[in-house]
Amino acid sequence: QVQLVESGGGVVQPGRSLRLSCEVSGFPFINYAMHWVRQAPGKGLEWMAVIAYDGKNKNYADSVKGRFTISRDNSKNTLLLQMDSLRPEDTALYFCARSTAYYRAWFDAWGQGTLVTVSS
Amino acid sequence: EIVLTQSPGSLSLSPGERATLSCRASQSVSGNYLAWYLQRPGQAPRLLIYGASNRATGIPDRFSGSGSGTDFTLTISRLEPEDFAVYYCQQYVSSPALTFGGGTKVEIK
Repeated sequence: QVQLVESGGGVVQPGRSLRLSCEVSGFPFINYAMHWVRQAPGKGLEWMAVIAYDGKNKNYADSVKGRFTISRDNSKNTLLLQMDSLRPEDTALYFCARSTAYYRAWFDAWGQGTLVTVSS
Repeated sequence: EIVLTQSPGSLSLSPGERATLSCRASQSVSGNYLAWYLQRPGQAPRLLIYGASNRATGIPDRFSGSGSGTDFTLTISRLEPEDFAVYYCQQYVSSPALTFGGGTKVEIK
């Protein structure tokens, strides 16, 4: 069955870096655009970043542009999120999600999330 | 950026009752590029509706979506125990700046 499994979360100090991974199975990874969506504790959902099926196109929310980098390794069915210059407001549960389109995307499968806490 | 406002913020209903959730956009969502998700506590969101009115695979027909322009509605015809959760709308016309509404919590009365 379709599975997306995030990992890499943890507690990190402000200004430091963290790299999240999302390993997928049960579907042809290369056929899908992939996204990161986050949810601060007790809050709603916030879209963060998208990467096209071939990794050639990417886009980011303004709140993370220049600090976060999305990438993918289609040979390993893995999506990545490099998070630099972390801030306390980046504390959230980070979900990976797939969509059939790069533009105008809705999310038809999600992982369970990995928690990132930015605190000194 | 298109801002989505969901109302009410919370809704207290009994199993078997009908739920009507609203999602209002700050500007027109052309093409009805609007989706709805359900999120149970401690779980990932799950896609219910896309294209404003199309049920996702495996979603029971008690869930229905409607609306156009700036006003959209999710209706649950008869609430089942597993339907008590938080519901989010999401627009995808303003891409790639995808945005979500703030959510409506459906609670057991």
